[in-house]
Amino acid sequence: DAGVIQSPRHEVTEMGQEVTLRCKPISGHDYLFWYRQTMMRGLELLIYFNNNVPIDDSGMPEDRFSAKMPNASFSTLKIQPSEPRDSAVYFCASSSTAAKPLLYEQYFGPGTRLTVT
Amino acid sequence: DAKTTQPPSMDCAEGRAANLPCNHSTISGNEYVYWYRQIHSQGPQYIIHGLKNNETNEMASLIITEDRKSSTLILPHATLRDTAVYYCIVTFGYGNKLVFGAGTILRVKS
Repeated sequence: DAGVIQSPRHEVTEMGQEVTLRCKPISGHDYLFWYRQTMMRGLELLIYFNNNVPIDDSGMPEDRFSAKMPNASFSTLKIQPSEPRDSAVYFCASSSTAAKPLLYEQYFGPGTRLTVT
Repeated sequence: DAKTTQPPSMDCAEGRAANLPCNHSTISGNEYVYWYRQIHSQGPQYIIHGLKNNETNEMASLIITEDRKSSTLILPHATLRDTAVYYCIVTFGYGNKLVFGAGTILRVKS
């Protein structure tokens, strides 16, 4: 299996620009998660989806951040406008409840390293 | 907030067992203990989980105390590739939210 795919792997942009991060979960997985990792704050959950529906977005830092999941095989995390403090590694993860109800192993992608100058 | 306490760092000699402790004194009866690790510049990787009983898989063993207030992750024969940050996480099995704390930096040395 290909695993969770994220693109781009690296993104450098200027403050004020729109940034879109993409994620393809593992086929058949019904949960998708977006995390952000910085040295200061560690690994934080931003939002997660179940069957393409956002379940908990309490970790989304502010209105500049938005996430969508138009279908089971694709999700985006958008930052508009971007700011230097958004610089971080953004991870996407997916999991499945089909095989192991109540027990969840999350599979993480390689991450997107975002630098906002 | 993370519900676990882990030492910030540990060293282990290559080929020896690495024993990583975790305290979770406020764990409730139906919360699971999960362990993940993150090798530098990669996404976190699931290792093992347990509820009450000790568990073993191809990567590691998980020992949970009888009162469930602490646990130990055991890597039986640590290699240099096991150098990583190890996260102990407590969560409801159906909750899906993983709250990552600071973890333990394990350095395996030759």
